[in-house]
Amino acid sequence: AQSVTQLDSQVPVFEEAPVELRCNYSSSVSVYLFWYVQYPNQGLQLLLKYLSGSTLVKGINGFEAEFNKSQTSFHLRKPSVHISDTAEYFCAVSDPNSGYALNFGKGTSLLVTP
Amino acid sequence: DAGVTQSPTHLIKTRGQQVTLRCSPISGHKSVSWYQQVLGQGPQFIFQYYEKEERGRGNFPDRFSARQFPNYSSELNVNALLLGDSALYLCASSLSGQITYEQYFGPGTRLTVT
Repeated sequence: AQSVTQLDSQVPVFEEAPVELRCNYSSSVSVYLFWYVQYPNQGLQLLLKYLSGSTLVKGINGFEAEFNKSQTSFHLRKPSVHISDTAEYFCAVSDPNSGYALNFGKGTSLLVTP
Repeated sequence: DAGVTQSPTHLIKTRGQQVTLRCSPISGHKSVSWYQQVLGQGPQFIFQYYEKEERGRGNFPDRFSARQFPNYSSELNVNALLLGDSALYLCASSLSGQITYEQYFGPGTRLTVT
């Protein structure tokens, strides 16, 4: 089964600084890739997804991610973070052939401080 | 429009008991998926139902079962509860069973097994 590895469990960053949350996936075949955000005591919200096409994907709240097939990576970036971006971020992968389940990473906790 | 709703919000059960969790999808959505999120981990796929049929099952024991009703709401049942079943149980709904359609997550049911 396909899996993702989120390389950082916690990322502290100052407000208005750029941030990158790293995600690597296991498969070299076609994949669908996703980033979700989870605020405290809430469910998950989709930030962005890569299905095909352009390798640079733009999402909500100013986030973007780049699909890199040669490095099997899908890193999430934001040029300037806000206090309100403090949350848990999950990278997920799905197999286009099975097409129904998301396999999530363990998450990266982003802590934005003034 | 109402989002995905789940009930109850919190639940405390004793080892060996049985529990039923409920999920109401967004109006018009025909697919419901269930995920288990253990503290400090990413969500793990349990089941997907589409048009009242089970389309996929994750690596969970037979103590876990689910069903989808004609109004597309769903129940997740867990028998013979173990301490390790303590988790946040998330329900997600989407228009179609295909992963390319956005999945909308509910706030979850926090199950504590003592």
